[in-house]
Amino acid sequence: QQPVQSPQAVILREGEDAVINCSSSKALYSVHWYRQKHGEAPVFLMILLKGGEQKGHDKISASFNEKKQQSSLYLTASQLSYSGTYFCGTESGRDDKIIFGKGTRLHILP
Amino acid sequence: DTAVSQTPKYLVTQMGNDKSIKCEQNLGHDTMYWYKQDSKKFLKIMFSYNNKELIINETVPNRFSPKSPDKAHLNLHINSLELGDSAVYFCASSRLPVSGNTIYFGEGSWLTVV
Repeated sequence: QQPVQSPQAVILREGEDAVINCSSSKALYSVHWYRQKHGEAPVFLMILLKGGEQKGHDKISASFNEKKQQSSLYLTASQLSYSGTYFCGTESGRDDKIIFGKGTRLHILP
Repeated sequence: DTAVSQTPKYLVTQMGNDKSIKCEQNLGHDTMYWYKQDSKKFLKIMFSYNNKELIINETVPNRFSPKSPDKAHLNLHINSLELGDSAVYFCASSRLPVSGNTIYFGEGSWLTVV
């Protein structure tokens, strides 16, 4: 079952904050976040495991609420380099299969 | 050194042809994948191999046949190409369990069927 991401697209000015949400109708074991720039391969951002932990590096962090079957990606004080499409990938039942959402397009304006 | 490399990067071919995309990873991973990304950017898993054994086989037409000669290589052969096969095909690799490991993607192979 494909996770649902929201919003589909967002435009921000440099320095503004963004939140991207990912929700699933199935119980989740892990959530993966990737960023893809135009014409390039998706690049890993972080993994969150069942347990509700929050992770982050630099100004990008994420949370995982397993009860709500949701994860959120937080981008603080966005930089031009944050532009791209963000994908969440979810794993249910420890089956080693990651299903990606349709992506959220983020465009940062100077 | 490119971690996951795929060839060709661009491929334009006519309907009905057969084509292959090759993939190699030098990360020492046991698991490799093929993902398809269509024009709407939907990234969909097609196949996964672990130590040359097929472990994930999504609903993919049997015109698509993956082959893994060893755990560092996973090739994708497509028979009787159709217009709807036009997409970017990403090869990827990881360790298992995937819940605790990064998936590394290749740069993609842009397939256009005319």
